[in-house]
Parts: sequence; C-alpha cells; structure tokens
Amino acid sequence: DTGVSQDPRHKITKRGQNVTFRCDPISEHNRLYWYRQTLGQGPEFLTYFQNEAQLEKSRLLSDRFSAERPKGSFSTLEIQRTEQGDSAMYLCASSQWGDRGFYEQYFGPGTRLTVT
Amino acid sequence: GDSVTQMEGPVTLSEEAFLTINCTYTATGYPSLFWYVQYPGEGLQLLLKATKADDKGSNKGFEATYRKETTSFHLEKGSVQVSDSAVYFCALSEDSNYQLIWGAGTKLIIKP
Repeated sequence: DTGVSQDPRHKITKRGQNVTFRCDPISEHNRLYWYRQTLGQGPEFLTYFQNEAQLEKSRLLSDRFSAERPKGSFSTLEIQRTEQGDSAMYLCASSQWGDRGFYEQYFGPGTRLTVT
Repeated sequence: GDSVTQMEGPVTLSEEAFLTINCTYTATGYPSLFWYVQYPGEGLQLLLKATKADDKGSNKGFEATYRKETTSFHLEKGSVQVSDSAVYFCALSEDSNYQLIWGAGTKLIIKP
C-alpha cells in the first residue's frame, strides 16, 4: 500500500453540475477525513468517518455537500449544483484510531476542482 | 472557537541561515499541536508534534516547543537547506485524532 490516493486529481466542471470525488485510504486505517483547502489558506475540516459511520458532518459547507463510506473502505465526496465558490483543493486523509492517543493523519495528493 | 495564527510568508532565507516561523493559537482546552509540511507537488506530511505543555517536537533538524504560557508553538531550524523550501502549516487538535484546525501556511524559500 503506497498511501492515500484520490481520484481524479483535477476536475473542471460547469456551474450547476454535480461532481463526485473518490478517496482510497491506507488499507488498515479505520478513520477517514475530508478537508477543503482554498488558495493561500490552510485546510478546512469538512467531515470524517470511523469505518462506515460518519461521526461528524456538521462542518460540511452546505446541504449540497455529502460524503459516504459505504463499506468502511473508500469514500466519496459529492457536491451537487456546483458554484464557482466551490473551486478549491479537496483533501482526504486517513488514520488508525484506538485508545493509544495520537494517531497521525496521512494525506492524499488532493483533487483540484475548478468550477467555470 | 479555536484558531491558529502563523506568520505570513513568503519567508526567504539563504542556505545555512537560522529559521523561525511563528505560530500562536487560541483554544478552550489543552490541544495537541502540529507542524505539517507540503513540498512542491506533494501532499501534506506531518513534520512534528507536541501533545502537552513544555513538550518539544523534533524531526529532520526542525524543533518546536509547546509553550502554554504564551500559547505558542514556533518552528525553528538551526541551518536550513534548499531542500527545506516548502509550505509549512501549524495546526492544533483538541481531540487527539479528530478535526485539525490549521493556520494559513507559511511559504519558505531557501536560496543557495
């Protein structure tokens, strides 16, 4: 396993279209996170899963954003009716989790979305 | 709410110079603190961390000390190299493995 992968790496779409991004975490990791990063800013937390359960989704930016992790492995992030303000880098990260304390989040390369 | 503030970049230094990138935070509890690095064309990587006051994180010649009294976690390196050119992000987490709250990042440029 070579790390977290994301697909596609770049997506250009027209305003109003729906887009879906995929994240494949490191295989033994049970937690998966989604972040958004705009130019010149740090990542902004969106949501996270432990196995297939979505434990926090109140930070999703609007009801146009949704995420799934149906079998506790890969995850998808969907944006419906895209707007120009959705243009950003979407990052996925994964980690183990348990009672040991700190577990490092490993990041994928990101999907860059451009809405025209 | 919690927040992280780090010095604006770009920071431009000559090779072998001493580096400091300032990071301060506000938090309601006792967060863990992190420095992440993003090299050109690569994903974010954890550089170092500290989980309680007075802890010092270190890696690859970089160090940062968790200062509760000044709510700071400044990144330092004694002698930078061209290969250290990257964007450095300071971050905190109130939960050890939950959501990370990030600074805006500081771009570091090292000239030979």
